[in-house]
Amino acid sequence: DSGVTQTPKHLITATGQRVTLRCSPRSGDLSVYWYQQSLDQGLQFLIHYYNGEERAKGNILERFSAQQFPDLHSELNLSSLELGDSALYFCASSGRSGTGSGNTIYFGEGSWLTVV
Amino acid sequence: EDQVTQSPEALRLQEGESSSLNCSYTVSGLRGLFWYRQDPGKGPEFLFTLYSAGEEKEKERLKATLTKKESFLHITAPKPEDSATYLCAVPGLSGGSYIPTFGRGTSLIVHP
Repeated sequence: DSGVTQTPKHLITATGQRVTLRCSPRSGDLSVYWYQQSLDQGLQFLIHYYNGEERAKGNILERFSAQQFPDLHSELNLSSLELGDSALYFCASSGRSGTGSGNTIYFGEGSWLTVV
Repeated sequence: EDQVTQSPEALRLQEGESSSLNCSYTVSGLRGLFWYRQDPGKGPEFLFTLYSAGEEKEKERLKATLTKKESFLHITAPKPEDSATYLCAVPGLSGGSYIPTFGRGTSLIVHP
């Protein structure tokens, strides 16, 4: 158990809908990262938050947004869903370095999104 | 651009048949190289972090080594339960953060 908790574990939704994925980082970790993993793309970085502030963006679509709240949990919002958004979405957390330099990141078990 | 390349993409071994997985990287100023194990439908599980050339770390049948251009994950006398995808990652600078960039992984199957 990595200590990173993600909910829901599975969800199925229709095209055009909106979903919210939730992540609680390991106790004491200030950084949260979101990654997307699909069969043909591998693990793709989406966005990084540190202590409530957005620090880095990867290939995150404009239809996707994220937040990190004062209690350090994070949410990833996916809207106007398309079939191609079906994937595993992972949250990861790491320690106290704001830049992430040298920090090991620990992953949750993921949220499996299926868009039909 | 920072890159991480893993080889082979897939590897089939017989139980007890030792082998090595490769992770080559290009990055400006290495700030750690990470190895993870991922089972199907699960989150990547952290194995090792290596920080400098010449460093080695071991865990059960796994040993990770690091040079200035690549890392190897050596698997000694593997068992079927070692079957998984092994991922390596290197932090690259993105905005103000060092973000782990992952390779595509090596899918290992160990036959009994």
